[in-house]
Amino acid sequence: GAGVSQTPSNKVTEKGKYVELRCDPISGHTALYWYRQSLGQGPEFLIYFQGTGAADDSGLPNDRFFAVRPEGSVSTLKIQRTERGDSAVYLCASSPLPGDTQYFGPGTRLTVL
Amino acid sequence: RKEVEQDPGPFNVPEGATVAFNCTYSNSASQSFFWYRQDCRKEPKLLMSVYSSGNEDGRFTAQLNRASQYISLLIRDSKLSDSATYLCVAFLYGQNFVFGPGTRLSVLP
Repeated sequence: GAGVSQTPSNKVTEKGKYVELRCDPISGHTALYWYRQSLGQGPEFLIYFQGTGAADDSGLPNDRFFAVRPEGSVSTLKIQRTERGDSAVYLCASSPLPGDTQYFGPGTRLTVL
Repeated sequence: RKEVEQDPGPFNVPEGATVAFNCTYSNSASQSFFWYRQDCRKEPKLLMSVYSSGNEDGRFTAQLNRASQYISLLIRDSKLSDSATYLCVAFLYGQNFVFGPGTRLSVLP
């Protein structure tokens, strides 16, 4: 079956712009996670959804970052007023239930110039 | 102190060697543990879950020591295709998955 998909695969933007990153989880997976990964580091947790609600958003670095999952499936990570330090690979993962094996998407490589 | 720590390596080993990675975690309440493999510029993929009794999957053996709060991964008879970064992960229900920084392995011909 289809795995987790993310779009776009690459995004180049200018400092101060707004970006949206999309994640399509595996069908039927109730848990959805967003991570950010910088070179040479492991994935850093950002936010976790259980269904439509954000169960834990403690990893969001500041209020420029926001994520939604309005129908409990597709999720969008939104970054306002992007900064160069936001450049990273943004990974999405889904799992059938919280704590189950996570399946990752290919990531979106964000570059802020 | 980071929640999950790993030696970043790189570990450079010849084909056929046995190599072991350790990982330590700081939250003693962590409930589940995993090893993920990540190839260069690819997403992480589950290698194996780690059970309290230890578990083996072919050439890979994972161990958990709750008293000392560390997890290990042993790879026997290393193949060139084992070259990757190995990520240690701890999970606490009601919180989230915490990834270590990864250990880079290069298996040399």
